[in-house]
Order: sequence, then structure tokens, then C-alpha cells
Amino acid sequence: DAKTTQPPSMDCAEGRAANLPCNHSTISGNEYVYWYRQIHSQGPQYIIHGLKNNETNEMASLIITEDRKSSTLILPHATLRDTAVYYCIVGSSNTGKLIFGQGTTLQVKP
Amino acid sequence: GAVVSQHPSWVICKSGTSVKIECRSLDFQATTMFWYRQFPKQSLMLMATSNEGSKATYEQGVEKDKFLINHASLTLSTLTVTSAHPEDSSFYICSAKSEGGGNEQYFGPGTRLTVT
Repeated sequence: DAKTTQPPSMDCAEGRAANLPCNHSTISGNEYVYWYRQIHSQGPQYIIHGLKNNETNEMASLIITEDRKSSTLILPHATLRDTAVYYCIVGSSNTGKLIFGQGTTLQVKP
Repeated sequence: GAVVSQHPSWVICKSGTSVKIECRSLDFQATTMFWYRQFPKQSLMLMATSNEGSKATYEQGVEKDKFLINHASLTLSTLTVTSAHPEDSSFYICSAKSEGGGNEQYFGPGTRLTVT
């Protein structure tokens, strides 16, 4: 499975958009990009995933570059409840395995 | 939709005893479930892949005789920590894989195990 690189931490002002970057330069053709978040002492929460097209759902938008080597998760209007560790994971649709890295700790501030 | 539950949410047991943790997909069927372990201030570590009706596949370094996994139905997988020791104290989290095109996983709330 391809590895991902994320900044260890980011801050965002409440009400503003939070843009979380992720590099996955070794991604292969059949691998999806998944985003999850984990609030302290809870199980991870699925946010969004994509293969090559940009995706949007009620939680977030996922922008994948044309070469698929990087992506950005966008939370359009961050709230204090969005404070969490955000994981960008590249996973094979064959095995379904997800290998978690260290993620980005997003702190949303009032 | 896509709700996964775990039971118990926390458990304290004595060294040498065994503990069983259940993982259920409540509103979808999951032929594949996964078990993770998470130590404080660390990321999740994949322990094993649980396949309904067949033997689990363990990640390198995970003892299959210590962490027994059974996936007897399309909605239930169990993890039994046998002969638990204090170093097995951790946060155990399961997930169930969607059968949709993206194979995304939905996670349970986790089980906090403390071995005294």
C-alpha cells in the first residue's frame, strides 16, 4: 500500500474553511484515497473517499490532483467539534486494508 | 446507516484470564471486518483481517494464538485476547468493510481493555 505524508498539526479558525493536505506520490492505479477522523477516545469516523475525481458529501470535499499524487480535504465551515486527528490513507480496493499513519491533528479555535 | 457496534465498551480483567470483544455491523452485512489496536498517543495498528466463514489473516508480528478471531456470521466478528497480560492493555477497535465500490470501512466505538 502506498504511504501518505501529512503535516502533524494545523490550526483553523471557527467558521473558516479547513484545508488539510496529503501527499501520496506512490499511489497506484487501483488505490483509493480515504479520509477518516478520530476524536479522542472514539473509533475513527469515515469522512470521504475518492479514486481520481473530486468528491463532495455532506461532511467535506475531496480534491485530488490530476496526477493523483496529492489530495486536499476541505471542511467548508469548521466548527469546534471538528477538532480531531485526520487521517489520509491510500488503500487497495482489492484487500480493503487500511494502514494508518500519524495523521494531522486539526485544532479549531474560537 | 453503516453503524458498527462493539461490546463491551470497556473491560478490566486480571492477568491470565481471557477476554472476548464483539464487533457487530448493525445495518449492513460485512464479509470482511478488521481489528485494530491503539496505544495512547499512537495511531491505529492493524492486527488482522477477519473474513466470514474462513480463517483470519494476521499482520506480521501479531500472535494468532493469543488474539483469536472468529467471524461466524455476516454481522458478527469476535476477538478473544487469551491469557491477557498488562501489556495487552489497549484500545481495541473493529471496522466493517462496505461492499460498495469504494470498500470504505466503518468503525466501531472501540473497547478499552485494562489488564491488572
